[in-house]
Amino acid sequence: AQTVTQSQPEMSVQEAETVTLSCTYDTSESDYYLFWYKQPPSRQMILVIRQEAYKQQNATENRFSVNFQKAAKSFSLKISDSQLGDAAMYFCAVIQGAQKLVFGQGTRLTINP
Amino acid sequence: DAGVTQSPTHLIKTRGQHVTLRCSPISGHKSVSWYQQVLGQGPQFIFQYYEKEERGRGNFPDRFSARQFPNYSSELNVNALLLGDSALYLCASRLRPGLGGNEQFFGPGTRLTVL
Repeated sequence: AQTVTQSQPEMSVQEAETVTLSCTYDTSESDYYLFWYKQPPSRQMILVIRQEAYKQQNATENRFSVNFQKAAKSFSLKISDSQLGDAAMYFCAVIQGAQKLVFGQGTRLTINP
Repeated sequence: DAGVTQSPTHLIKTRGQHVTLRCSPISGHKSVSWYQQVLGQGPQFIFQYYEKEERGRGNFPDRFSARQFPNYSSELNVNALLLGDSALYLCASRLRPGLGGNEQFFGPGTRLTVL
């Protein structure tokens, strides 16, 4: 069974600073995708960034980037120039085969003005 | 284009009752998945449907069932509600199953409270 672990229940950062959210996972699959989702208080789950496991190059999306360490099964999210609108729950997830996303427990990110 | 829609937004039921939650996927998407998100936790996979057939099922009791209609909308049914069924139920749609990485788009969820 696949598992995803987010060891930081809560994180806070000053506006305009950089923060890194941690994620480790376990899978026996050789081919998989990893995701970071954002869930603001509105509850809508929004895809932030995704990484194909077969690609060594780390994915980036504007202020968001990942550090993907396949051998260590680590997939951290870096948010640069944090903005107030980045405040939300962040979930790391891995997709298993053709079926389901497996999510971590989430990290609540607070942005301090 | 409209995103994934779910109804109702909120629902309050009592133990032992039955509930039906509804989801309409993004136009052109043929695969719908259901997730349960208990407060303070990450979503847990319940079902996936594609072309009206069940393609995957999570570790949930038989009280949970679902179906997909010819227009690709979907219903999630829960019988004999328990207090522990209180959660946010999320629906996600995607073009098709498969590891192609095609994104799952989530709806706003239905908040179910069981008293």
